[in-house]
Amino acid sequence: EIVLTQSPGTLSLSPGERATLSCRASQSVSSSYLVWYQQKPGQAPRLLIYGASSRATGIPDRFSGSGSGTDFTLTISRLEPEDFAVYYCQQYGSSPWTFGQGTKVEIK
Amino acid sequence: EVQLVQSGAEVKKPGESLKISCKGSGYSFTNYWIGWVRQMPGKGLEWMGIIFPSDSDTRYSPSFQGQVTISADKSISTAYLQWSSLKASDTAMYYCARHGGGFQHWGQGTLVTVSS
Repeated sequence: EIVLTQSPGTLSLSPGERATLSCRASQSVSSSYLVWYQQKPGQAPRLLIYGASSRATGIPDRFSGSGSGTDFTLTISRLEPEDFAVYYCQQYGSSPWTFGQGTKVEIK
Repeated sequence: EVQLVQSGAEVKKPGESLKISCKGSGYSFTNYWIGWVRQMPGKGLEWMGIIFPSDSDTRYSPSFQGQVTISADKSISTAYLQWSSLKASDTAMYYCARHGGGFQHWGQGTLVTVSS
């Protein structure tokens, strides 16, 4: 099973700042099968990034993804108030599909 | 518009059985994998398993294999998640989601509470 470890667990930032979230895999993951989600309280998750770096439909360009192999990054260039949420990475290149434990981006 | 509509919240006692549903609309139900994801209170997302409604090919996470059953009825565009004997530790929100380059579309979630 591929274990995805996200860091940091919590990121305390102010609106307008840059957020950098990490997702590290215990084994190599094909970039094609690495995705990122955003989840706000009381809501279902929302797909942000697929294929490690492609934005899903309707996702603002302040969100970007990068990485390959075992190290992936989600970057939010300038935090907007609505971006404070929990972010999860997920891989589906190897069964069982797995999620990271999440990174909470909170207002400082 | 793609929609996944899940059945309503459930309150059950330990040992009871349960089957929750997820009805797809706005797309060809048989052409996409449907997955189930658990979220325990205050915790992260856990992948439970996935089914391809066209032929009912099903894959389970080892953590959930034997604990739940995933099925689908393509004639009514509905996927199911069922338990034969619930435990208190099954208390969680359960989401279904359509897969296609990640889980692109999600149901609203079904809250299952198991308490004596």
